Amino acid sequence: ETGVTQSPTHLIKTRGQQVTLRCSSQSGHNTVSWYQQALGQGPQFIFQYYREEENGRGNFPPRFSGLQFPNYSSELNVNALELDDSALYLCASSLGGGPRVANVLTFGAGSRLTVL
Amino acid sequence: QKEVEQNSGPLSVPEGAIASLNCTYSDRGSQSFFWYRQYSGKSPELIMFIYSNGDKEDGRFTAQLNKASQYVSLLIRDSQPSDSATYLCAVNRDGANSKLTFGKGITLSVRP
Repeated sequence: ETGVTQSPTHLIKTRGQQVTLRCSSQSGHNTVSWYQQALGQGPQFIFQYYREEENGRGNFPPRFSGLQFPNYSSELNVNALELDDSALYLCASSLGGGPRVANVLTFGAGSRLTVL
Repeated sequence: QKEVEQNSGPLSVPEGAIASLNCTYSDRGSQSFFWYRQYSGKSPELIMFIYSNGDKEDGRFTAQLNKASQYVSLLIRDSQPSDSATYLCAVNRDGANSKLTFGKGITLSVRP
């Protein structure tokens, strides 16, 4: 059984650029959630995808968008990067749509984005 | 008022002591409560989750939930230096949705 994998692990962008982060969910998991963790803060929910549909969104602007593919992998896209977007982006997978215990998240190692 | 609040840290305890980590939440509709551990530079890993009022024990860890007072705590018995990490409290309102609201975390340091 493989865990949650994310790529790239680190990247540096400049203001105004666009970035795509990728995530492969844990085997058997059909739900992917994305979180942003700024330095010294707890993770903040960006959005969740369940069966290729967005299923919940946090307080993030539309320039944060995502996709989920039929194999349950997912992408997070951020357009028009701002300095404050510098953070660790965490992908988490779970077996959604079921009882509460199934919604326990397994996190990937994260993608650390630096915006200059 | 923040949705999920944790004690201001850091917390330092000697090896072998009990570490007590507290968390309060504002949304009375919260249904599920989680404790994650995060080592520096790593991703969060689940320690425990609890849904019902009372205590839940798993090895050296005990989670305590009091919905009336809107707090959840984590006790770590026989603390070890390897327990030194940031502990994140998280709550979930909708059991069918994996949206977690996290606290800022508290850093625990266990002194040998």
